[in-house]
Amino acid sequence: DQQVKQNSPSLSVQEGRISILNCDYTNSMFDYFLWYKKYPAEGPTFLISISSIKDKNEDGRFTVFLNKSAKHLSLHIVPSQPGDSAVYFCAARGTSYGKLTFGQGTILTVHP
Amino acid sequence: GAGVSQSPSNKVTEKGKDVELRCDPISGHTALYWYRQSLGQGLEFLIYFQGNSAPDKSGLPSDRFSAERTGGSVSTLTIQRTQQEDSAVYLCASSSKTGELFFGEGSRLTVL
Repeated sequence: DQQVKQNSPSLSVQEGRISILNCDYTNSMFDYFLWYKKYPAEGPTFLISISSIKDKNEDGRFTVFLNKSAKHLSLHIVPSQPGDSAVYFCAARGTSYGKLTFGQGTILTVHP
Repeated sequence: GAGVSQSPSNKVTEKGKDVELRCDPISGHTALYWYRQSLGQGLEFLIYFQGNSAPDKSGLPSDRFSAERTGGSVSTLTIQRTQQEDSAVYLCASSSKTGELFFGEGSRLTVL
């Protein structure tokens, strides 16, 4: 049972444009959501997070939006840069501690 | 060290052999996680340790897999009688009370 889904395996964007990565979840007990970025041969690194009490969190070029009624979150990267090319994972958990459940990842390619 | 350290970084073994993968978490982090990423797949949860509590083993795929955490710090993931489908990158992460996971670079296991 895939509780966190990233339905787009890949996304290609031109440098300077907006990248939008999407994530859906099924477990209504999830209350904290995170995005991780992963380069080849490296471990995932934390990017940005959002609590279920908010619907938006912004950090520089990165903004995460949460739509609880639709059980959907998205990551916006504006403007996109070639160095943003990586695999992006969304993750969710249901308690302040506890395991993170990850999506399958989306490969983002930003073309110069 | 400053980050999560995993060893070995690469392990090639023959089918049927046992392997041990080691994780050194960030000092002071009370939670430790093991995930694995098979080729083309997302991050699959394996096991989670939190302080002195009983570990959450719900993600271990079979009884050939086990993990321990000694002294609340270093963890070892053991895979007995390895199979080809065990080939993956095994990722360890630790977290503090903020809940953000910090990942190591992973141990790439290849079972021939």
